[in-house]
Formats: sequence, C-alpha cells, structure tokens
Amino acid sequence: EPEVTQTPSHQVTQMGQEVILRCVPISNHLYFYWYRQILGQKVEFLVSFYNNEISEKSEIFDDQFSVERPDGSNFTLKIRSTKLEDSAMYFCASIRGKYSNTEAFFGQGTRLTVV
Amino acid sequence: AQSVTQLDSQVPVFEEAPVELRCNYSSSVSVYLFWYVQYPNQGLQLLLKYLSGSTLVKGINGFEAEFNKSQTSFHLRKPSVHISDTAEYFCAVSDASGGYNKLIFGAGTRLAVHP
Repeated sequence: EPEVTQTPSHQVTQMGQEVILRCVPISNHLYFYWYRQILGQKVEFLVSFYNNEISEKSEIFDDQFSVERPDGSNFTLKIRSTKLEDSAMYFCASIRGKYSNTEAFFGQGTRLTVV
Repeated sequence: AQSVTQLDSQVPVFEEAPVELRCNYSSSVSVYLFWYVQYPNQGLQLLLKYLSGSTLVKGINGFEAEFNKSQTSFHLRKPSVHISDTAEYFCAVSDASGGYNKLIFGAGTRLAVHP
C-alpha cells in the first residue's frame, strides 16, 4: 500500500540552526501539506503546496519557514533559524485530488527538538 | 473560519464496553468531517469521513460516527472496544466549498482501554 514517508523520524538541533525536514508523498498525489503538533496541543495546519507553489499558509508559517519540491518526489520543509518554540512533531500529508472529499494521507511525522 | 472542539481530553474505558468520543464544530460554510486515529509513534490514519448523504457513517475497526447538523456535532462511537483501540483520536473539518483541503483539527481525545 502506498504511503507517505518522512525522514528523519527524530531530529535534535541547536537553537538558531537551520533544519530541513523531508517527505516523500504518494507518487500520483498532487497536493502536499505540512502540519505540526506541539506536545500536548492540537495538530495545526502550516502550509499547502500545489503545482510548485504555495497555495495557502497559516500565520504560523512566517519568513523563517519555506517549502520546496526540488526533484518531483521529495517535499521539504525548511526552518531557517530554529527557535525553542519550533519543537514539535511535524507531519507531511498528501492528497490525490483537489476537492476536500479526497482523503489526506499522513506520514509518521518528524519529531523536532530544539535545544 | 472553522474550529473543532473535542470535549474530552481523555476517556478511560474498560475492554468490551461501548465508547463515545465527542466532537463539535463551528463553521460559517458547509464542511466535510473526519475522524483520524494516531497510534503510539505512528502517523495519522483516517477512521471515517462524512461528505454528504446518510448522516451515519461507518469506518474501519468497527467505528461509526453520526453527523448532526443542528447540533453541529460529529460524535464517534464504538459498541465494544478492544485494548488495541488505545490511541489518540482527532476530529477534523475541511471546507466543503472548495479550496485546498486543509484540515482543521480538534485537540484530540486520548482513549485508554483497560482490561
């Protein structure tokens, strides 16, 4: 069964460092997303990506965040200068079609710890 | 804008007992409704979804949910739980009028099934 894969599963980084979280969406999917879940809080939408550009972003997704689909298979989330409050579980998701009734498939997440 | 409220952060229950996990939503537009499950150290998996039609929807693992438009609720039920149902359950909505399918999640309910 096709699945969304995320690497690494856990990353520890020092405050101020850049991190790149990687995701490989399901191959025939067209819409890609990043969500995050701070420990003990709800899962929050960060950004959606379609046709090689951001289609929507939340207020959390400020200038320190960026996304890219560099090679047609990977989908990355870059945090330019990490802060302690960026510590969270980051989930990648992909959807095959445009409409909201299409199921979103989630990866297992990357736990980012900023120290 | 949409929001989701999961009224119980934790629900303890004995094995083979019935369970109901409550979810209420708020939205100014029509929505689609989803329940996702997160097992320990895993990603989010779709349990079931309501798009249109019958208000009672059945999902995987014996779960079902009922959409109640007048009460803006989408409660999840299972008549007899197993130890393996121990997990975090998330209710989510998305805008049915179009857009890029972002999901708005509730805070989650931790279901703990005891022998």
